[in-house]
Amino acid sequence: DAMVIQNPRYQVTQFGKPVTLSCSQTLNHNVMYWYQQKSSQAPKLLFHYYDKDFNNEADTPDNFQSRRPNTSFCFLDIRSPGLGDAAMYLCATSTAARRSNEQFFGPGTRLTVL
Amino acid sequence: AQSVTQLDSQVPVFEEAPVELRCNYSSSVSVYLFWYVQYPNQGLQLLLKYLSGSTLVESINGFEAEFNKSQTSFHLRKPSVHISDTAEYFCAVSEQGAGSYQLTFGKGTKLSVIP
Repeated sequence: DAMVIQNPRYQVTQFGKPVTLSCSQTLNHNVMYWYQQKSSQAPKLLFHYYDKDFNNEADTPDNFQSRRPNTSFCFLDIRSPGLGDAAMYLCATSTAARRSNEQFFGPGTRLTVL
Repeated sequence: AQSVTQLDSQVPVFEEAPVELRCNYSSSVSVYLFWYVQYPNQGLQLLLKYLSGSTLVESINGFEAEFNKSQTSFHLRKPSVHISDTAEYFCAVSEQGAGSYQLTFGKGTKLSVIP
């Protein structure tokens, strides 16, 4: 089945220690998104790629970076995680062929910062 | 810019009772509308969507939502809930038109089904 995969599902890191979260998709969608979701809140968009074009949200901290080496993979790098970065990180995809912007989500990675 | 309001943050309901989760939106242009469901420690799953055509849309597990343009609403309903429906539900809107690749989410409604 075509899907969005996130690894790992659970990630523990130490305060200030860089961490990378991974997302891959078999949908061949050209748009990929990273969201941060804190407990009992709506997902908050960090950035998205339209093909190789990177689009950063204005309020996304510089501590968060992303890479998209090819259509299938996208990475979220947190350079120096703080306690406030503990959250669920969701990857999603969509295709520009569907103008509805219907997004397909992965299962998420729950990040714990010690 | 569009916005989404989910009026209830938490909705407790007894098993087999009906439920309605409310969603209102604001936008200066036509929109597409979605309901997503999120189970604990999982990602968001699309429950149903309104793109065009019939204003009443249904999901495979008994949920339905009706698009009401005059009231700018897209409320989610189920006539008889099950324990397994316990989850958080997010309403989302996307503006029609080229160049927009974002969904705007409401704050979510936690549905708790009581045995």
